[in-house]
Amino acid sequence: GIQVEQSPPDLILQEGANSTLRCNFSDSVNNLQWFHQNPWGQLINLFYIPSGTKQNGRLSATTVATERYSLLYISSSQTTDSGVYFCAVDGGGNKLVFGAGTILRVKS
Amino acid sequence: KAGVTQTPRYLIKTRGQQVTLSCSPISGHRSVSWYQQTPGQGLQFLFEYFSETQRNKGNFPGRFSGRQFSNSRSEMNVSTLELGDSALYLCASSTASGTDTQYFGPGTRLTVL
Repeated sequence: GIQVEQSPPDLILQEGANSTLRCNFSDSVNNLQWFHQNPWGQLINLFYIPSGTKQNGRLSATTVATERYSLLYISSSQTTDSGVYFCAVDGGGNKLVFGAGTILRVKS
Repeated sequence: KAGVTQTPRYLIKTRGQQVTLSCSPISGHRSVSWYQQTPGQGLQFLFEYFSETQRNKGNFPGRFSGRQFSNSRSEMNVSTLELGDSALYLCASSTASGTDTQYFGPGTRLTVL
């Protein structure tokens, strides 16, 4: 089945810094989503981005489908950005295959 | 539009018992998927239901089962609980297609003692 790798596994930032999270996947995909898991466990949708570039406030994402990777950019990070960021791709049908996540800690 | 709801939010059971978790999808969504999240295995797909039919299944033992009702609400059941079943169980809803955005509920945290 499709493999999803996220890097880095762990990231510590000072408030105000920028960061880039990466997601590599092993096969072509029709669905790629980025999520932020809050401290209570809920997965919050950030982007649905099987290809192209999208922006939402301080967050933006780019997926280069032909090269099988996606990037999530966080600018001017805030402490509320802390948490785990997951990339997920379609594994056939409506099944999502998740990466292991990137743990982000933003320090004030 | 109301989001995905899951009940209960927290549950404590003992080994050997069974448990039923419930998920109500976003209005108009007909697909409901279930995922298990553990520190060791991460997020893993359990199964997906669409129009009351299981359409896709992950690699879990038969103790894990589910169903979907005509109003798209779904339940999952775990029988003969084991300590390793302790996890966060997340439900996701979407319209139908595999190319559609999936929206997750807040999860049910199950602890097996």
